[in-house]
Amino acid sequence: DAKTTQPPSMDCAEGRAANLPCNHSTISGNEYVYWYRQIHSQGPQYIIHGLKNNETNEMASLIITEDRKSSTLILPHATLRDTAVYYCIVRGLYGGSQGNLIFGKGTKLSVKP
Amino acid sequence: NAGVTQTPKFQVLKTGQSMTLQCAQDMNHNSMYWYRQDPGMGLRLIYYSASEGTTDKGEVPNGYNVSRLNKREFSLRLESAAPSQTSVYFCASSRPNTGELFFGEGSRLTVL
Repeated sequence: DAKTTQPPSMDCAEGRAANLPCNHSTISGNEYVYWYRQIHSQGPQYIIHGLKNNETNEMASLIITEDRKSSTLILPHATLRDTAVYYCIVRGLYGGSQGNLIFGKGTKLSVKP
Repeated sequence: NAGVTQTPKFQVLKTGQSMTLQCAQDMNHNSMYWYRQDPGMGLRLIYYSASEGTTDKGEVPNGYNVSRLNKREFSLRLESAAPSQTSVYFCASSRPNTGELFFGEGSRLTVL
């Protein structure tokens, strides 16, 4: 079973911020939170990851709660091209746990004009 | 850079036929993975290879075999295809210091 819980779908207006939540209440101390997205039937694309501090890159921001039991991916200005399924995943960075990357069903984000 | 390349992109098989999906990466990554994705589902790990010469089972290994031929190549073989193996197959490799996965474009397999 996936270690994360995400809403199955969300809508967002074009140009507005998209905030995608993820619950990972059983995350262990050495596990990171990763976000990927899959546009249509392409291969998943890495977005961002973090351990406990908030992270930002050119694509998105990741906000992790202090207790690390949940996080939010923020796309600051959503465009139609951001319509995709977004996956939140927890995993270790090294060692055998690399192989145990579990994708759930993700959140289907629909950005509307 | 090509990144992760998978072949073939499309394949139709009859039940009982065998085939091999090929995957190659040019990023000098140690770890490589094979996933399958069924309609409306997330990805499920079939096998992975943490380094050249090693392979391990993932969540759904039954009916598949893998070979890590060298650091670049990781192949997935179906010895006797079944309709339940109709799926989209993704190969991936991971960057060692970040754990970031890079995926191929997928191989769409139909077993009749």
